[in-house]
Amino acid sequence: NAGVTQTPKFQVLKTGQSMTLQCAQDMNHEYMSWYRQDPGMGLRLIHYSVGAGITDQGEVPNGYNVSRSTTEDFPLRLLSAAPSQTSVYFCASSFSRLGGYTFGSGTRLTVV
Amino acid sequence: TQLLEQSPQFLSIQEGENLTVYCNSSSVFSSLQWYRQEPGEGPVLLVTVVTGGEVKKLKRLTFQFGDARKDSSLHITAAQPGDTGLYLCAGSHHSGGYQKVTFGTGTKLQVIP
Repeated sequence: NAGVTQTPKFQVLKTGQSMTLQCAQDMNHEYMSWYRQDPGMGLRLIHYSVGAGITDQGEVPNGYNVSRSTTEDFPLRLLSAAPSQTSVYFCASSFSRLGGYTFGSGTRLTVV
Repeated sequence: TQLLEQSPQFLSIQEGENLTVYCNSSSVFSSLQWYRQEPGEGPVLLVTVVTGGEVKKLKRLTFQFGDARKDSSLHITAAQPGDTGLYLCAGSHHSGGYQKVTFGTGTKLQVIP
């Protein structure tokens, strides 16, 4: 089983550029989330989804958009990249509202 | 605002020692999970606890959920070098429209052979 697949693994952007981080899961999980991980900050929730067509904001949503048109895919869009968005981004999915996430391997993003 | 505070932040111990990591909050959680993360990888789920006072064991790891469902602890007996990693607690809670999962700040554990 592939689990949660994130692409790309590494990306360098210039300030002001836009891009989409892809996330796909093959476990038929309803719950999916995007987190960013920065040194000393743990994992912070950006956006999450409780099913196709339903998304909501997390702790740090500014500068990011999401949509969930299918159960499998949950892309994260950076609208206009800023150096403060340099981070490692993780996508995760779960079958339960109580958590217990399966994580992807992450996307390491650098904005210069 | 960090909902979940973990302590200690860093821990370096000798192989064979015991240790306890704490995860505390003023909020009540529907469930609490513990994850372990190794460098360059995503977190891997170790356990989910749901009931206040619940204790779960995973080989040398013992997890406890506080009676009031606001805190949790992870105890490792006879630590091994393979236990080295970043330990994260995460709580599921109702905020805004839906249940969401918030992570603690993490405890970085180093076990020295």
